[in-house]
Amino acid sequence: SAVISQKPSRDICQRGTSLTIQCQVDSQVTMMFWYRQQPGQSLTLIATANQGSEATYESGFVIDKFPISRPNLTFSTLTVSNLSPEDSSIYLCSVDVGHTYEQYFGPGTRLTVT
Amino acid sequence: SQQGEEDPQALSIQEGENATMNCSYKTSINNLQWYRQNSGRGLVHLILIRSNEREKHSGRLRVTLDTSKKSSSLLITASRAADTASYFCATEEDDKIIFGKGTRLHILP
Repeated sequence: SAVISQKPSRDICQRGTSLTIQCQVDSQVTMMFWYRQQPGQSLTLIATANQGSEATYESGFVIDKFPISRPNLTFSTLTVSNLSPEDSSIYLCSVDVGHTYEQYFGPGTRLTVT
Repeated sequence: SQQGEEDPQALSIQEGENATMNCSYKTSINNLQWYRQNSGRGLVHLILIRSNEREKHSGRLRVTLDTSKKSSSLLITASRAADTASYFCATEEDDKIIFGKGTRLHILP
């Protein structure tokens, strides 16, 4: 198993600014995932972050808008840039421990853009 | 892409009753998972069923898998107020987990 923390838990940001979300895992993991969950919707995968390599983005998500860092095996950040109200969502990070495909999720970051 | 589709989208039942949610998917799978999400929080893994399994139990949870119909069901027996949450099925695709749209379950007192 894995325990995952995210910071901040919530934030209200102004249009045009950026927010960086931190994800910390209590054990070393190879793959970390970032998801977006818009209000009342399911989770959409933004990107997969492997340590030591560029993140792999899903269709519809680009690095300029969602830059990701993965400096070591326990930490990752997701930045949501040039915020607009459409970016208001919950952002979640998750990890896959031991390649079992069971994912452990952080508590999420609730972003509201005004 | 969104592989799993849950049915129904929303379900309200009386406490103590059983709740059944269904999931259909499109392509071949190695396994299927179910997750729970309490309001505004992260997802919690409930159960994983492999493609060569037909049924699996965990406490009050029972999951079935029919690979010929590409469908799975999650049964929660003797429901409790704490079971109020959204439930998602998930399948793996190219080393990624793809989530369905979810079923919002509401347990009435």
